[in-house]
Amino acid sequence: GIQVEQSPPDLILQEGANSTLRCNFSDSVNNLQWFHQNPWGQLINLFYIPSGTKQNGRLSATTVATERYSLLYISSSQTTDSGVYFCAVVRYRNNRLAFGKGNQVVVIP
Amino acid sequence: DTGVSQDPRHKITKRGQNVTFRCDPISEHNRLYWYRQTLGQGPEFLTYFQNEAQLEKSRLLSDRFSAERPKGSFSTLEIQRTEQGDSAMYLCASSTETVYTEAFFGQGTRLTVV
Repeated sequence: GIQVEQSPPDLILQEGANSTLRCNFSDSVNNLQWFHQNPWGQLINLFYIPSGTKQNGRLSATTVATERYSLLYISSSQTTDSGVYFCAVVRYRNNRLAFGKGNQVVVIP
Repeated sequence: DTGVSQDPRHKITKRGQNVTFRCDPISEHNRLYWYRQTLGQGPEFLTYFQNEAQLEKSRLLSDRFSAERPKGSFSTLEIQRTEQGDSAMYLCASSTETVYTEAFFGQGTRLTVV
């Protein structure tokens, strides 16, 4: 199956700092989503971004499908940004989202 | 529209017992997916439905697991003769017609087998 690798696995940030999370995938994809898993376990949709760049407030994402990677930018981080961020992709002609292991982010005040 | 809903949120059961979880997808969504997530890992695909048809099952879905979506609306996931290794978060997601559209997840059901 497709391999999805996220880096860094763990990140500690001072409040107000900026950060970049990376997602590499091993095959062509038709769907890529970024999620934030809240402390209760629910996956919250951040971006649906199979290609291109999108921005939503302090978060933005870029996917370069031809080079098989996506980046999630967090600017001016807040303690509420803490949690696990997941990248998930759908390989071309496949039928399910394949997830990476996540980026554990801790923002300290 | 309240999003994808799962019930119960938490379930503690004794080893060997049967459990059933329910998922109500977003109303206009044809596709429904079940995933399982263990501690420190990303969610892993279990199965998916297109309307009432179960079209794909993962190798993770042993014969103790069965999923149904009888009228193409809500779905149930049953685990028979639970084992400690079944302890996990069970997540349901739904999307519109194709897998290439955005999927939305429910709150999950956290299962603990003691």
